[in-house]
Amino acid sequence: DGGITQSPKYLFRKEGQNVTLSCEQNLNHDAMYWYRQDPGQGLRLIYYSQIVNDFQKGDIAEGYSVSREKKESFPLTVTSAQKNPTAFYLCASSITGGPKTQYFGPGTRLLVL
Amino acid sequence: GQQVMQIPQYQHVQEGEDFTTYCNSSTTLSNIQWYKQRPGGHPVFLIQLVKSGEVKKQKRLTFQFGEAKKNSSLHITATQTTDVGTYFCAGSFSSGSARQLTFGSGTQLTVLP
Repeated sequence: DGGITQSPKYLFRKEGQNVTLSCEQNLNHDAMYWYRQDPGQGLRLIYYSQIVNDFQKGDIAEGYSVSREKKESFPLTVTSAQKNPTAFYLCASSITGGPKTQYFGPGTRLLVL
Repeated sequence: GQQVMQIPQYQHVQEGEDFTTYCNSSTTLSNIQWYKQRPGGHPVFLIQLVKSGEVKKQKRLTFQFGEAKKNSSLHITATQTTDVGTYFCAGSFSSGSARQLTFGSGTQLTVLP
């Protein structure tokens, strides 16, 4: 099956701790994205990557970091600098060139203890 | 920054009633996409509109793109309980930003049986 997976489904973080959210896709998409969704709100772009070894900040990149060492993988690290990390995190991927439908993973819910 | 505004934020309808959500941008969009997110789920692509004045239908759903390519609407005729969820518009701007899509804040639809 082709698709995009995220793990874990739920994640608990202690104060001052860094945590990494996994995102993997086997759709052969060049572009990948990370969004944050807060209750009752839309999707805000954290980081995006158009190609391996390259990524750009979105609207709310502070307190987050990413890497893109492989085409299939785009992990997101929520650092201790992110003071309000409790949210639903969604990873997406798309082709590049032309109008671009984004395919979303099932998401990771992060909760700070 | 470039934004896509979406209204209403919430809508409660009786089953069988119609529903409409609207999106508006202050700058011209190159295309607009619509996504549906079921409660507890992730956004799923519904449709893309590219041409000025374009109208597309999917069964009971009608999507429109304004003549000036600055606004769009989604209309559901005779809602059913399966229509429950949050509907997002997402626009690409003509400036050709590599970030791909800017999401509206979504309209959360509740259908009362």
